[in-house]
Amino acid sequence: GDSVTQMEGPVTLSEEAFLTINCTYTATGYPSLFWYVQYPGEGLQLLLKATKADDKGSNKGFEATYRKETTSFHLEKGSVQVSDSAVYFCALSDGRANSKLTFGKGITLSVRP
Amino acid sequence: DAGVIQSPRHEVTEMGQEVTLRCKPISGHDYLFWYRQTMMRGLELLIYFNNNVPIDDSGMPEDRFSAKMPNASFSTLKIQPSEPRDSAVYFCASSFSTVQFFGPGTRLTVL
Repeated sequence: GDSVTQMEGPVTLSEEAFLTINCTYTATGYPSLFWYVQYPGEGLQLLLKATKADDKGSNKGFEATYRKETTSFHLEKGSVQVSDSAVYFCALSDGRANSKLTFGKGITLSVRP
Repeated sequence: DAGVIQSPRHEVTEMGQEVTLRCKPISGHDYLFWYRQTMMRGLELLIYFNNNVPIDDSGMPEDRFSAKMPNASFSTLKIQPSEPRDSAVYFCASSFSTVQFFGPGTRLTVL
């Protein structure tokens, strides 16, 4: 079945550092890929998405590129802020509207001032 | 829009008691999902509905869990009887396309 693998955490960075969070997936067909973020005490919210190979999703300074050849969707940000401290989840769906999501285990990011 | 609304936000109960979690999806969304989040297992999809009809309940852990959606604006997840291993954060999410919108969750503690 479909699966998502995220790098082990937690990750602690200083403010303005460069961020990379790795995500790889296993899926049949042409999945859609997502990054969700969960701030403390809140539900998950969509950060960005990509629906086909070579698409780049971007939002709030975060970017991720759908790499079919490496089955990856790594999240990057050039300069993190304290307010980016949260849990980040990589997820996939089978590409159809309203299909269920398969999530990675999530990784906690802490940004120090 | 108020977003997905869940109640209660926190629930503490004793083993053996019945627990009911409630969810109001975003108006106009025709899909509703229930998830459970724990440190050990991460996020698990329990069940999801389309137009109030359960589509896939393969993630429901056992017969103690049941979910209903009597109308487009309300769903419940019930655990009877509850056990300590049911302690988790339960999320409800709704969607009308590829993006799911999550509620704030209910933190359940079973003593």
